[in-house]
Amino acid sequence: AQKVTQAQTEISVVEKEDVTLDCVYETRDTTYYLFWYKQPPSGELVFLIRRNSFDEQNEISGRYSWNFQKSTSSFNFTITASQVVDSAVYFCALSKPTGANSKLTFGKGITLSVRP
Amino acid sequence: DSGVTQTPKHLITATGQRVTLRCSPRSGDLSVYWYQQSLDQGLQFLIQYYNGEERAKGNILERFSAQQFPDLHSELNLSSLELGDSALYFCASSVDGRAFNEQFFGPGTRLTVL
Repeated sequence: AQKVTQAQTEISVVEKEDVTLDCVYETRDTTYYLFWYKQPPSGELVFLIRRNSFDEQNEISGRYSWNFQKSTSSFNFTITASQVVDSAVYFCALSKPTGANSKLTFGKGITLSVRP
Repeated sequence: DSGVTQTPKHLITATGQRVTLRCSPRSGDLSVYWYQQSLDQGLQFLIQYYNGEERAKGNILERFSAQQFPDLHSELNLSSLELGDSALYFCASSVDGRAFNEQFFGPGTRLTVL
């Protein structure tokens, strides 16, 4: 069975602080995919990044960076110099390849509040 | 804007009633997914369709059913509604339903059962 754990439920930071959102996953598959989604107050889910299990390179996109470590089954997300617009709920999700069937298993989400 | 549309945006109904939620996937996407988001259960996968066929089933109640039509839009039918069915229902679509393709989510339908 697959499982995603986001142990942090709420994080509050002051603008310009760096913040790391943790994600730990469990799966018996050797091939799998990890995702981060953002849910701003407006409610829609916005795709941020995808990472496959064979690619452990870290990724940076502007102020966002992701650290994937297979050894610890973690896929952490760091926001550098946070801004008020980063306030949202962030979900980590796991998917496994089974032909054309797929589903996302989500963590419970982390509510990030960035105060001015 | 993800390109996935969902109607209605809000739905208020009474226990025991039946409702239909509608989803149009992004242009070119063949696979549609339904998820339920509630405070106690979080985001839960309900069901996946690919080009009109059911492909995967998750924690979907027997009172719920879905289908994907030839034009690829999908409907989620919820019947004998209970208070606990109140939630945000998301539809998502992806190109071909394979696990490595990101899913693009619609704005959701907020269902309130009174």
